[in-house]
This record gives sequence, structure tokens and C-alpha cells, in this order.
Amino acid sequence: NAGVTQTPKFQVLKTGQSMTLQCAQDMNHNSMYWYRQDPGMGLRLIYYSASEGTTDKGEVPNGYNVSRLNKREFSLRLESAAPSQTSVYFCASVRGDQPQHFGDGTRLSIL
Amino acid sequence: QQQVKQSPQSLIVQKGGIPIINCAYENTAFDYFPWYQQFPGKGPALLIAIRPDVSEKKEGRFTISFNKSAKQFSLHIMDSQPGDSATYFCAAAAYSGAGSYQLTFGKGTKLSVIP
Repeated sequence: NAGVTQTPKFQVLKTGQSMTLQCAQDMNHNSMYWYRQDPGMGLRLIYYSASEGTTDKGEVPNGYNVSRLNKREFSLRLESAAPSQTSVYFCASVRGDQPQHFGDGTRLSIL
Repeated sequence: QQQVKQSPQSLIVQKGGIPIINCAYENTAFDYFPWYQQFPGKGPALLIAIRPDVSEKKEGRFTISFNKSAKQFSLHIMDSQPGDSATYFCAAAAYSGAGSYQLTFGKGTKLSVIP
């Protein structure tokens, strides 16, 4: 049972490049989330998906898009990366009102 | 904007001491309050969670105290060990529709337990 798996673990991009961060969970959870973590800022919600086929904006959605590909997979896309998007990105999943389970993150640097 | 305020930002205690981390919230619509522990290079891991109808919850050496009228809750770590050195986040969960809950996180407390 892998839980929440994020790929890649590390990535370096140049300003203006695009990329997609992948997340998959094997716990049959309905809801999935994308957060970014910056020093001294805690975790801030980018987008979430309450169930397969639905997505909604969180606190900091600008510059990002998401796709809930199926119940297991939820991807985050940066269309034109900016240095301000340098961060650690975490995916999480949950069923109902239970606490969320997190992956180990993708460390993204944008030069 | 919903907020959860966490203090202190960092904390250093001797082994065996009892570090206390405090959080305060504003929104009365929160449904439960989890605490997460995060080690360097890892994602946050659930430590313990409490619902607002309970004033205290213990799991091993970790205790949450909850004061609903003051809108405050805190984490106590009994007999702290060097292995407890990590960053701790409090959070508050609010229902966001379609069976989904959103978490609002505090900014974290970096705990160092000195041998």
C-alpha cells in the first residue's frame, strides 16, 4: 500500500517552461488536493477535487491548472513557470471527514 | 480569509521537557482540528485530531487541549525525545461541499529537542 505517490520528486525548470506534476493514490479516496509549501507560510491550497470529474480553486490558484484524470490520479500543471512558483508541492487525498493523507512532495525550482 | 494562527514559530526544549504549541482560529464553522508532524524531506503526517465537542484528547505522549469558547487549541508533547524534533502544523477543517473538507493550516512550529 503506497498511499499517495508524487512524481517527480525534484525538478528544475527555466522561466516560461511548462510541466505537469503527477499524483496518484491507492486508498480509494474521493477527494484530492494540491498544496504548496513555502518557508514560514505553512501549506496553502492551490486546487482541490471533491470527487472524480470536479475541480475547484483554493487559496492560491493563479498560474496553475489541474486535471482529475480518474479517481486515483490528480495532476497539477504549470503552463508558463515563473520564479515565484519555486516551492515544494504536496498532494493529499481523503475520504469524507477523515484527516488528509499527504505524499512526500515535489521540490520545484524555477530559474 | 479563514485563518489559523500558530505560535511559537520555533521552540527548543531539553529531552524530557513538555513543549506546548498553541493555535487560535476565527471561523466557528470548523468541523475538526488535526495536527500534523513533518520531518525534513517528507510530507506532513497526521499526528492526532480532535473534534470541537471534546475538550482533550490523548494519544501516547501527544495531547490536544481544546477551548471552544476561546477558539484556541494546543498540542502538548509529554516526555519529549530528540526523535520528536520536527515541524508541527495545526490545521482546521471546514466542509466545502460534495463530501469534501478544506484544511486551513497554521504556519508551523519548528521543534528541536536537545539530548
